[in-house]
Formats: sequence, C-alpha cells, structure tokens
Amino acid sequence: NAGVTQTPKFQVLKTGQSMTLQCAQDMNHNSMYWYRQDPGMGLRLIYYSASEGTTDKGEVPNGYNVSRLNKREFSLRLESAAPSQTSVYFCASSEGLNEKLFFGSGTQLSVL
Amino acid sequence: AQTVTQSQPEMSVQEAETVTLSCTYDTSENNYYLFWYKQPPSRQMILVIRQEAYKQQNATENRFSVNFQKAAKSFSLKISDSQLGDTAMYFCAFMKLFNYQLIWGAGTKLIIKP
Repeated sequence: NAGVTQTPKFQVLKTGQSMTLQCAQDMNHNSMYWYRQDPGMGLRLIYYSASEGTTDKGEVPNGYNVSRLNKREFSLRLESAAPSQTSVYFCASSEGLNEKLFFGSGTQLSVL
Repeated sequence: AQTVTQSQPEMSVQEAETVTLSCTYDTSENNYYLFWYKQPPSRQMILVIRQEAYKQQNATENRFSVNFQKAAKSFSLKISDSQLGDTAMYFCAFMKLFNYQLIWGAGTKLIIKP
C-alpha cells in the first residue's frame, strides 16, 4: 500500500504566488491533517479534517486554506505565498480521534 | 496550554549501546496520550511508541520502551541494543483526550556510531 502520498516533493515559489499541495491516503482513514515543520521546532498543526465534509483550524492557520475533496484527499492551498511560509509541509491521516498518525514524506517549500 | 520539552538537542552512542531520550510535558489534564515519533533522514515521520496516560504499565515495542512517570510529567524513551538504522530525529508529542491536535517537542537528534 502507498499509505499517505503527497505531491509535489519540492517547490519554489515567488512571494505572492499561489499553489496547492495535494495529499491522498489509501487506508480508508476518517481524519486528515496538515502540519508544517520549521528548523529547531516540532511540527505545528495548520488545519485538520476530522471526517469527510468537515475542516477545522489548527495552531497556525493564517495564510492557508484547505479542502477535504473526498474521504481520500485533503489539499492545502497557499493563496499568496510569503517567505514566512518557507517550511516542510506534512500531510497525515488517522483512523479517528486519538489514534496514531500516518505521515506522508513531506513537501519542501521555499518562498523567495 | 500544553507544552512538551526535549532537553537534549543531540545525542550520540555506539552501536549496541542503550540510550535514553528525555521528554517532559506540562498539562493540567488527567487523561491524555503521549507519543514518540522517529524521523530518519528520509524525512518521513514514523510512530515508535504510544502511551495512554490512564495505563500505569509502560508501553514497549521490541527494542523500544518508555518510562512514564505521570506525577513527574516525564516520558522518556529507551532504545536497547541500538542499531545504525536508529539514527534519526526523535520527537515526543502530547495529545489531549478527545482531541485531534498533537503538541510536539523540538526533537532530539540521535546518532548511532558504528
């Protein structure tokens, strides 16, 4: 099984450009998440989707939007990228509440 | 608010040795979950071990075990018979009961030397 698949793996943007990070899971999980990882810090939750049809803000939602397209897919959109959004982005999924997370391999995003 | 502290930014040990990574957390909750995740150079985050706070027994997974001290709010990870493949960043994380958000520590870089 592929598990959690993220695309792209690397991306360079100019300030003000927009882009969408794609994420798909094939484990029939109910819940999906977007995290960012900055150097010297743990992961921080951007948005999550507890179940299909719902999305909620996490710790650092400003500058991002999400869409839970169906049970498998959860996308993250940057409408107007800023240098402060340079980070590694991880998508994750879980069966549900308080269950262990399965992670994708991450997207290295640089905003110049 | 909950916080998670990993006081060892980096550690290194010889292959086959035992190593313990420290984690402390701050919470007023009585029931919660604690996790250790491993992030190898490949970057993918992998669950090592999960502990439910209401269980007194320490969780174990093969060579990995935890020392969970609820009163002291301490959750250390012990790796026995360390292997070169254990080289990675290790993150401690906390989750409240009935909640979706993981609170992460800053990580400990563990290097296993041959």
